[in-house]
Amino acid sequence: DTEVTQTPKHLVMGMTNKKSLKCEQHMGHRAMYWYKQKAKKPPELMFVYSYEKLSINESVPSRFSPECPNSSLLNLHLHALQPEDSALYLCASTYPGNNYGYTFGSGTRLTVV
Amino acid sequence: QKEVEQDPGPLSVPEGAIVSLNCTYSNSAFQYFMWYRQYSRKGPELLMYTYSSGNKEDGRFTAQVDKSSKYISLFIRDSQPSDSATYLCAMSAGAGGFKTIFGAGTRLFVKA
Repeated sequence: DTEVTQTPKHLVMGMTNKKSLKCEQHMGHRAMYWYKQKAKKPPELMFVYSYEKLSINESVPSRFSPECPNSSLLNLHLHALQPEDSALYLCASTYPGNNYGYTFGSGTRLTVV
Repeated sequence: QKEVEQDPGPLSVPEGAIVSLNCTYSNSAFQYFMWYRQYSRKGPELLMYTYSSGNKEDGRFTAQVDKSSKYISLFIRDSQPSDSATYLCAMSAGAGGFKTIFGAGTRLFVKA
């Protein structure tokens, strides 16, 4: 079983809805990431939190809003999404200053209708 | 030119074959090299991690890095149908690991 847990596994939402994706890890990692992955494409970095502070924001549209309430939790708030935002959203974590690779969650498959 | 190039495949091999997966890159600052395996509709799983040049072996998997040629490889010995997945190379320059660049992924099918 993955040590990074993402919920929900699947989400269908309308373009006017507000929803949130959740990610939790208990490995003591202090860097957490949101990636977006379209079918047959590599993951694309969206946001990085290091020690609960937003470290990298890759010019993602404001309809995506990240939040890191504590060192174990990461949320991604969604509002007024477009159909092209449909994708697999992946959470990952690692130790800052350590590049031994990420631990990814299983992802949330998001469909915007 | 993309920073990381990886042939998307698909690559189809018979069970028991040796599989060779490769990536090339253009950024000479890359020092950390990783291979991830991703099954359909799942998140990537870290398989191998290598720092700088050299070889690393773990069971049936061997990772090679040739920084002079900007070329990395993953070899899978005695391939199994359960190895059928997409294999993503990934690399970064800094120890922070924040800006990891992924290859497009190679889809591998191992036929029983």
